[in-house]
Amino acid sequence: EADIYQTPRYLVIGTGKKITLECSQTMGHDKMYWYQQDPGMELHLIHYSYGVNSTEKGDLSSESTVSRIRTEHFPLTLESARPSHTSQYLCASSEYSETQYFGPGTRLLVL
Amino acid sequence: GENVEQHPSTLSVQEGDSAVIKCTYSDSASNYFPWYKQELGKRPQLIIDIRSNVGEKKDQRIAVTLNKTAKHFSLHITETQPEDSAVYFCAASLGFNKFYFGSGTKLNVKP
Repeated sequence: EADIYQTPRYLVIGTGKKITLECSQTMGHDKMYWYQQDPGMELHLIHYSYGVNSTEKGDLSSESTVSRIRTEHFPLTLESARPSHTSQYLCASSEYSETQYFGPGTRLLVL
Repeated sequence: GENVEQHPSTLSVQEGDSAVIKCTYSDSASNYFPWYKQELGKRPQLIIDIRSNVGEKKDQRIAVTLNKTAKHFSLHITETQPEDSAVYFCAASLGFNKFYFGSGTKLNVKP
């Protein structure tokens, strides 16, 4: 089934650890996005990509990095997790002239 | 960049009443305006959208209106039901590239 997937769904990790949040979509979309969202609050764009080998920073300053080596895959990496990174991370994708579709999210807790 | 403001932040209505959520945007070049519904613990889901060449769009109990001159758009939900209770987000986009989201409205429909 065409969808957008995120793993892990929940992650509890200690300060200083390196983590990678996975996002994959099977819809063949060129554009992919990462948002940070505290529960029920505004979505903040942290990274986006218009296609393979294209990545841009969003409007919210973030210490994370992303890569886009394959169309369907857009992982987000935190080199050294901190408690301030505790949040929900939503991945989304879209095709040209179409709206975004969101993944189920990863809830991250950094102790 | 674009700035989207959304009001009210919370809205409580009686079942069967109508609910209206309003958003304003700053960039007159924005041309696509989706609305998302996010239930507790779930991903945002598109419920209706409108493009800048249309003034109004309706889908059963949900409608969206767009006033390009005033740079505002509104979501109208008629005959509200308890299952309409959720957080609603508006967004604005130029050319389906970056999406700018409002801060969200928590709608509570009382049975």
